[in-house]
Amino acid sequence: QVQLVQSGGEVKKPGASVKVSCKASGYTFTSYGISWVRQAPGQGLEWMGWISVHSGNTKYAQKLQGRVTMTTDTSTTTASLELRSLTSDDTAVYYCARGNWNPRGFDYWGQGTLVTVSS
Amino acid sequence: DIQMTQSPSTLSASVGDRVTITCRASQSMSSWLAWYQQKPGKAPKLLIYKVSSLESGVPSRFSGSGSGTEFTLTISSLQPDDFATYYCQHEGTFGQGTKVEIK
Repeated sequence: QVQLVQSGGEVKKPGASVKVSCKASGYTFTSYGISWVRQAPGQGLEWMGWISVHSGNTKYAQKLQGRVTMTTDTSTTTASLELRSLTSDDTAVYYCARGNWNPRGFDYWGQGTLVTVSS
Repeated sequence: DIQMTQSPSTLSASVGDRVTITCRASQSMSSWLAWYQQKPGKAPKLLIYKVSSLESGVPSRFSGSGSGTEFTLTISSLQPDDFATYYCQHEGTFGQGTKVEIK
């Protein structure tokens, strides 16, 4: 069965960086891309970006350009999200989701990782 | 970028009601429109993709329709398990969400 298992919660100070991982299993990792979506407390879903596992091509949300990097490691079937220069506005649950950049949607999601930014 | 506006923001309904949620795009768009259901503390779940295609395992009381700039998610007969928040999505944009509450 398809599973995306994310790393545990993080507490970071403003200005720091965070890296969240997403371990995929149950499917051919290189056949699908991975999107990252976050949700601030009590708020809606915010798409952060997408990476093609096959090619490494990325698409990032304009507001995060320059602060975000998405990578994959096919040897460990793991996708990673790094976000730098954290502020309190980055406090959110971060989700990885499987899907190619097409209308098929994001069909499997990780369980979410809470990142708290606080001094 | 295309903006997606959902309405209503909150909807109060009873079990058995027919429920419709609308998602309007700021400009005419392709068939890239998906709908997700999210329950508190849980990851979103894909319900509908490509405007009207039902994701495997999703009950047939959920349906999607629309074209151009207006799209709808319909629940034909609301069930207790359907009280949740629903989001539309086009490419890298989500709607702001519609919370379906018990009336």
